[in-house]
Amino acid sequence: KQEVTQIPAALSVPEGENLVLNCSFTDSAIYNLQWFRQDPGKGLTSLLLIQSSQREQTSGRLNASLDKSSGRSTLYIAASQPGDSATYLCAVSGNTGKLIFGQGTTLQVKP
Amino acid sequence: NAGVTQTPKFQVLKTGQSMTLQCAQDMNHEYMSWYRQDPGMGLRLIHYSVGAGITDQGEVPNGYNVSRSTTEDFPLRLLSAAPSQTSVYFCASLGQGNTGELFFGEGSRLTVL
Repeated sequence: KQEVTQIPAALSVPEGENLVLNCSFTDSAIYNLQWFRQDPGKGLTSLLLIQSSQREQTSGRLNASLDKSSGRSTLYIAASQPGDSATYLCAVSGNTGKLIFGQGTTLQVKP
Repeated sequence: NAGVTQTPKFQVLKTGQSMTLQCAQDMNHEYMSWYRQDPGMGLRLIHYSVGAGITDQGEVPNGYNVSRSTTEDFPLRLLSAAPSQTSVYFCASLGQGNTGELFFGEGSRLTVL
């Protein structure tokens, strides 16, 4: 059974810092991995999608990497801003299209 | 550009009542799904559908029914609400087949008294 773990559960950093969020999964037979952002009381917004054949994806200040063999992904946020404060979730997809989510990392960026 | 639309956004029910959460998407996605999100539990899959007329159970299906008569709509029915079903419910649809990006609705917050 696929399990997804995100560490740390919460993170507080000063504005301007670069930071890394971690995601690990137990079954390396995945189709893709997605990183989402969730603001309080809101739905999830997809940030980056990495196909199983890819090693990383970049969007602006965000970079996500994928190492299937070790069952790990990282989300790198450069030059963090207060507007980046949110909960970040990773999810992996198997061959049925069902996504298994981690419990998320809640990020606070202090001005 | 509607995307995935859920209604209602908020609902309070009494134990034993029934209701339907509506979900519609205008992206012609074949795959749609329902999740519930609870503190400390993350998002858990309730039911999903890979196309009109096809549905299947997810991780936590008990107490919920779904149907998929059209590509656009995927309603979630609570047959006899229980306090354990108090949660935030999210509908999502998947683009580009099984390997595409997942799009979420804004969520429906349900309280069962």
